[in-house]
Amino acid sequence: AQSVTQPDIHITVSEGASLELRCNYSYGATPYLFWYVQSPGQGLQLLLKYFSGDTLVQGIKGFEAEFKRSQSSFNLRKPSVHWSDAAEYFCAVGPGGYNKLIFGAGTRLAVHP
Amino acid sequence: GAGVSQSPSNKVTEKGKDVELRCDPISGHTALYWYRQSLGQGLEFLIYFQGNSAPDKSGLPSDRFSAERTGGSVSTLTIQRTQQEDSAVYLCASSLELSYNEQFFGPGTRLTVL
Repeated sequence: AQSVTQPDIHITVSEGASLELRCNYSYGATPYLFWYVQSPGQGLQLLLKYFSGDTLVQGIKGFEAEFKRSQSSFNLRKPSVHWSDAAEYFCAVGPGGYNKLIFGAGTRLAVHP
Repeated sequence: GAGVSQSPSNKVTEKGKDVELRCDPISGHTALYWYRQSLGQGLEFLIYFQGNSAPDKSGLPSDRFSAERTGGSVSTLTIQRTQQEDSAVYLCASSLELSYNEQFFGPGTRLTVL
């Protein structure tokens, strides 16, 4: 069965520091992978997606993610975090593209000034 | 343009009552999705619609849950005889087509069952 694991429930970083949020997936075929962000009181917003091709994908707000098939990982990175990045981040896998997304439990990011 | 809207934003009900949650997708979006976000858990897929039909209802947690979509637009998620474990945020999303299109999420309906 498909599943997504986000090992870190909560992460705190200082503003300006680099960030890496981990995501591991379990899926038998080529996965479609996504990162979403949920700010307080807001709906989910797509940061980036991987379907095929270049394993390093760029997203909005300066985020990027790298697909590593050998490690079944799709970690999210940002070189320099801003206070406005404080939110909850969800990794998801879509077995058929976008329909029926399977989400991880989320990682809550806090940013210290 | 307008995004996905959901109503009510908050709903408090008593155990055993029925509730209806509404989702208005983005105009022109043919695919619509319902998810549930329980406290401390990730998002759980419930059901999706392509037009007015729901090919996959396997995510609905029990037969107390049902959903319909009329006119290829508005969708209603109904929970009958609510239980305390139904307390969660119910999120709706829509996309231009079923696959390979970004799902745009609404703000959710927070359901509390007392």
